[in-house]
Amino acid sequence: AQRVTQPEKLLSVFKGAPVELKCNYSYSGSPELFWYVQYSRQRLQLLLRHISRESIKGFTADLNKGETSFHLKKPFAQEEDSAMYYCALALDTGRRALTFGSGTRLQVQP
Amino acid sequence: ETGVTQSPTHLIKTRGQQVTLRCSSQSGHNTVSWYQQALGQGPQFIFQYYREEENGRGNFPPRFSGLQFPNYSSELNVNALELDDSALYLCASSPGLAGSTDTQYFGPGTRLTVL
Repeated sequence: AQRVTQPEKLLSVFKGAPVELKCNYSYSGSPELFWYVQYSRQRLQLLLRHISRESIKGFTADLNKGETSFHLKKPFAQEEDSAMYYCALALDTGRRALTFGSGTRLQVQP
Repeated sequence: ETGVTQSPTHLIKTRGQQVTLRCSSQSGHNTVSWYQQALGQGPQFIFQYYREEENGRGNFPPRFSGLQFPNYSSELNVNALELDDSALYLCASSPGLAGSTDTQYFGPGTRLTVL
């Protein structure tokens, strides 16, 4: 079965510190992985996807098939990065329907 | 902003009742997906519609049903409500492009409380 695990419910760091939000997945095929973000009082939105290999707002994520991980990283956290982050895996069923992890709340303190 | 809208914002029902939630997709988006988000959890896939046909379903019972209309609107219907159905219901529309370039755009959600 396809499953996404985010082991940390809350990650608190100081401004300027590095950030790593962990995501592990379970999937037997070739995975497509995403990070979605939800800022306070805003809707869920796509942050980045592994296939694009892009950096968005300073965040990057590398797919590690050996470790079945897709950790989200940023070298220097900003206060505006405080939000709820969800890792998601594209399902076999449907067109880009997703299975989500339970989310990690990132708090960046001044 | 123009984008995915959902109605109502909040809804309170009692156990056993039926409920209909509505979603208006972005213009031109022929795919809509519905998700249930329980408190403290990530969204869980309910089902997806593509060009008015069900195109995939998650692990939800048949009392969860849906419709998609030609005008880019859609409905989620839940019969025989149970207390565990209390959650935030999200719809997400996407252009329905082939391959991984398709992006899902989420609505703000409907908060359903079942008493």
